[in-house]
Amino acid sequence: AQSVAQPEDQVNVAEGNPLTVKCTYSVSGNPYLFWYVQYPNRGLQFLLKYITGDNLVKGSYGFEAEFNKSQTSFHLKKPSALVSDSALYFCAVRDGTNAGKSTFGDGTTLTVKP
Amino acid sequence: SQTIHQWPATLVQPVGSPLSLECTVEGTSNPNLYWYRQAAGRGLQLLFYSVGIGQISSEVPQNLSASRPQDRQFILSSKKLLLSDSGFYLCAWSVGQGGNTIYFGEGSWLTVV
Repeated sequence: AQSVAQPEDQVNVAEGNPLTVKCTYSVSGNPYLFWYVQYPNRGLQFLLKYITGDNLVKGSYGFEAEFNKSQTSFHLKKPSALVSDSALYFCAVRDGTNAGKSTFGDGTTLTVKP
Repeated sequence: SQTIHQWPATLVQPVGSPLSLECTVEGTSNPNLYWYRQAAGRGLQLLFYSVGIGQISSEVPQNLSASRPQDRQFILSSKKLLLSDSGFYLCAWSVGQGGNTIYFGEGSWLTVV
């Protein structure tokens, strides 16, 4: 079985400050981890993923995420937040045995205030 | 490049009426296709998953069905809609397995009245 948790429903940061959106996961095998962003009334857009290799993954729009195997976490980060980063963020996990099916977290709403 | 089209974008249907949401993918062959439902702007629930024509895996028993009549076409249907079927429906695709990314369409808003 696989699962993912996003412990914060809401994250508020000031523009220009660093942001972190948290994600923890559980899988039976090696994890494949993903972050997506969703703007109102739109589909999900892919930001970045971890498959293997370097624990720090860089993605679109200046976002990055750090894979931590011992803490089973994959937190999304950005050094300097923009107001336009305000959106709903989803973490997803899949293990290699699960035939391409991913499990998504419940989402975290990020609000960046000017 | 690959694109995914999903329609209609919005739909208001009475209880008991049928439903058909369509999704097509361009620019790739033999994709994995998915239907998700998102309620209240939060988490995604996987409804159906298909690895090939005529091969449909149902993840949640419910009032809906899915069909894949062509390689890059995925249809979500219902014979009689319930109020609880209201939500945001997302079609998605990927290629292969393992760490391949799932890409989403723009979604369809269904309101059952």
